[in-house]
Amino acid sequence: DQQVKQNSPSLSVQEGRISILNCDYTNSMFDYFLWYKKYPAEGPTFLISISSIKDKNEDGRFTVFLNKSAKHLSLHIVPSQPGDSAVYFCAADRSGNTPLVFGKGTRLSVIA
Amino acid sequence: DAGITQSPRHKVTETGTPVTLRCHQTENHRYMYWYRQDPGHGLRLIHYSYGVKDTDKGEVSDGYSVSRSKTEDFLLTLESATSSQTSVYFCAISEQGTASPLHFGNGTRLTVT
Repeated sequence: DQQVKQNSPSLSVQEGRISILNCDYTNSMFDYFLWYKKYPAEGPTFLISISSIKDKNEDGRFTVFLNKSAKHLSLHIVPSQPGDSAVYFCAADRSGNTPLVFGKGTRLSVIA
Repeated sequence: DAGITQSPRHKVTETGTPVTLRCHQTENHRYMYWYRQDPGHGLRLIHYSYGVKDTDKGEVSDGYSVSRSKTEDFLLTLESATSSQTSVYFCAISEQGTASPLHFGNGTRLTVT
């Protein structure tokens, strides 16, 4: 069973517009959520996180929203830039030293 | 970049041969992880370690073993490589093990022919 789902394998957005990447989870015990960005031939890099006690966290152009009742989180990138083109992974964690669970990723293409 | 070095970066090996991948960190972090990335599967956890000589299995641990004899090194061994183990392998480290980000190495691309 996939506990973290990214149902869109790919997304194309024009430069300057908003990119919205979505993630759903099934395990209600998850209490910490992260987004990672991955460029080809590199390891994933941490982008932004949110704790379950919050519903929004913002860092520059990146904002993550958490809807606990819907078990849904989203990453907003505004404005989108060509350098944002990458694969984005959603990940979830629960207290107790359990490892992160990752989604399958969404490939974002920002078109100039 | 977090001080994580994976070696080798690329390897081609034949079915049935043993292979060991190495992850070395200079951050003195307690937690270390091995993930594999495959098209259509994202990142899947193979094994992880929460201290020297303390390891546990992840969701895709069959065919893999690990060892951690020093804080800085985490080895992943394929005892007898199979074509299904062709993948990109990522090592990651974490300071706290929960509610803290993982920092990844740049990966090892392994091809089993």
